[in-house]
Amino acid sequence: GQNIDQPTEMTATEGAIVQINCTYQTSGFNGLFWYQQHAGEAPTFLSYNVLDGLEEKGRFSSFLSRSKGYSYLLLKELQMKDSASYLCAVRNYGQNFVFGPGTRLSVLP
Amino acid sequence: GAVVSQHPSRVICKSGTSVKIECRSLDFQATTMFWYRQFPKQSLMLMATSNEGSKATYEQGVEKDKFLINHASLTLSTLTVTSAHPEDSSFYICSATSSGGTYNEQFFGPGTRLTVL
Repeated sequence: GQNIDQPTEMTATEGAIVQINCTYQTSGFNGLFWYQQHAGEAPTFLSYNVLDGLEEKGRFSSFLSRSKGYSYLLLKELQMKDSASYLCAVRNYGQNFVFGPGTRLSVLP
Repeated sequence: GAVVSQHPSRVICKSGTSVKIECRSLDFQATTMFWYRQFPKQSLMLMATSNEGSKATYEQGVEKDKFLINHASLTLSTLTVTSAHPEDSSFYICSATSSGGTYNEQFFGPGTRLTVL
């Protein structure tokens, strides 16, 4: 079967750092993606990992460990506009994406 | 960057009617398009995958006769919700991939909010 787990909700303070974890068990692995989705809008691409390690893009970083079926998204210097849902998605060998349940992040002043 | 459009953005219809949603890749040729459904506070659920010129592949539990998908060209896919009922009310999002993408990622359309009365 295919299963992706993420925490349902997280809360953090403006200016802080937050780490959103994602664990997965999928039939085949061909890359892990993180998307940001504001309410009522389509997801937007944040990051991509296919090899183990850390990928950094400005305030956002994503880490992958394929042997552990684990990834995290790290958000630094949190801003109010970062309040959104963050979706972890795994692409399998069939090129389909399996999305996790999403983590709703609330950034407080 | 790659742009995907959807039309309409919002539609309200009566129960029993059919609704067509269009998904277009504006500046690239989409070899594959995906249709998702998203209920409030839930993640995206893949409904079907379509490749240009061939029949769509539906996910388990999705009725192909109710959700008709046509991928007539490399830039256009349509989803028709036939005989819509209130339980079909949802946020429908399409996405497209291109063989020329950096990570072969999916580019999402802005979504269509369907409300069936």
